[in-house]
Amino acid sequence: GQNIDQPTEMTATEGAIVQINCTYQTSGFNGLFWYQQHAGEAPTFLSYNVLDGLEEKGRFSSFLSRSKGYSYLLLKELQMKDSASYLCAVVPGTGFQKLVFGTGTRLLVSP
Amino acid sequence: DAGVTQSPTHLIKTRGQHVTLRCSPISGHKSVSWYQQVLGQGPQFIFQYYEKEERGRGNFPDRFSARQFPNYSSELNVNALLLGDSALYLCASSLQGGGETQYFGPGTRLLVL
Repeated sequence: GQNIDQPTEMTATEGAIVQINCTYQTSGFNGLFWYQQHAGEAPTFLSYNVLDGLEEKGRFSSFLSRSKGYSYLLLKELQMKDSASYLCAVVPGTGFQKLVFGTGTRLLVSP
Repeated sequence: DAGVTQSPTHLIKTRGQHVTLRCSPISGHKSVSWYQQVLGQGPQFIFQYYEKEERGRGNFPDRFSARQFPNYSSELNVNALLLGDSALYLCASSLQGGGETQYFGPGTRLLVL
């Protein structure tokens, strides 16, 4: 089976740093994606990890440890507009690209 | 360049009816995937198509079907609608449906009464 776990909700203040964790158990692994989704909108791509280590892109970084089945998304210098749901999605080893999503982490950034 | 487009944006149907949702991928993308997202949950995979062939199917009943056209656009059909089919239906496109990034359209919000 496929299981993706993320915290349901997190809160942080403007200017702070927040780390959103994701653990996964899947039959095979072909990569992990992070998407941002504002309420009522489509998910937008943030990052992709297929090898162990840290990928940095501006204020956002994503880390992957395949041996631990673990990833995190790090958001620095939080802004009010970062209030959204953050979705962790794994591509299991099915031979085609099906994304298996967690339930998402709702992040609320307060002033 | 235009992103993924979907139509309609919103739809209200009654139980037992049929619905067709449409998706146009990003230009140059040959693979389209469909996802269902109910409120408070992550998207659930329904289908993937590549070059007009079904590549994968999620755990959805046979009431759900889809197809892809020669221009790579796609339709998702749902028959005999149930209240539980109320959700945001997302279409995502990618170059070849392999390990590359999937880009999502704005979705169609379906309400079944």
